[in-house]
Amino acid sequence: AQTVTQSQPEMSVQEAETVTLSCTYDTSESDYYLFWYKQPPSRQMILVIRQEAYKQQNATENRFSVNFQKAAKSFSLKISDSQLGDAAMYFCAYRSAGAGGTSYGKLTFGQGTILTVHP
Amino acid sequence: NAGVTQTPKFRILKIGQSMTLQCTQDMNHNYMYWYRQDPGMGLKLIYYSVGAGITDKGEVPNGYNVSRSTTEDFPLRLELAAPSQTSVYFCASSYWEDGNTIYFGEGSWLTVV
Repeated sequence: AQTVTQSQPEMSVQEAETVTLSCTYDTSESDYYLFWYKQPPSRQMILVIRQEAYKQQNATENRFSVNFQKAAKSFSLKISDSQLGDAAMYFCAYRSAGAGGTSYGKLTFGQGTILTVHP
Repeated sequence: NAGVTQTPKFRILKIGQSMTLQCTQDMNHNYMYWYRQDPGMGLKLIYYSVGAGITDKGEVPNGYNVSRSTTEDFPLRLELAAPSQTSVYFCASSYWEDGNTIYFGEGSWLTVV
């Protein structure tokens, strides 16, 4: 079974600064997907960014980028120019790339990192 | 657009009671899921469905039942509620062509006392 570990229960950053959230995972599979989700106090789950394991290029979405190290099984999230609205719980998640959609929605989540943004 | 709608949003149950969490989606998605999120933890998959009439267990199915009689609806039944089932429950759905875009409901807060 796959496991996802987020070793930072809490992180803080000053507004406009950069912060990196860590995530490691354990799997014996070669093809899979990795995700970062944001959960603000409203509890809504918001997809921030995703990475396909077979793609070497790191994914980016505006101020959000990842550092994907497949051999090290590491998937960190970098938030640049942090904004007050970035304050939330962030979850790293893993999904196998099962054939025919058999793995759809079967996400394994880490325990989360609470990000505080100071003005 | 309604998306994924869950009801109720909040509920307090007594130990041993039963209840159903309702979930409906209006996006014609084939896949639907139920997750639970315990305090300070990530989400864990309870049950999922790949289409009407087809359901299967996820990681933590004990104490729950589901049905999928229509594409739109995927209710989660709690039988004999226990304090360990105090959690936030999320229903979600996705389209068969894109398993990486999952639409989540807003969550249902359940407390068992």
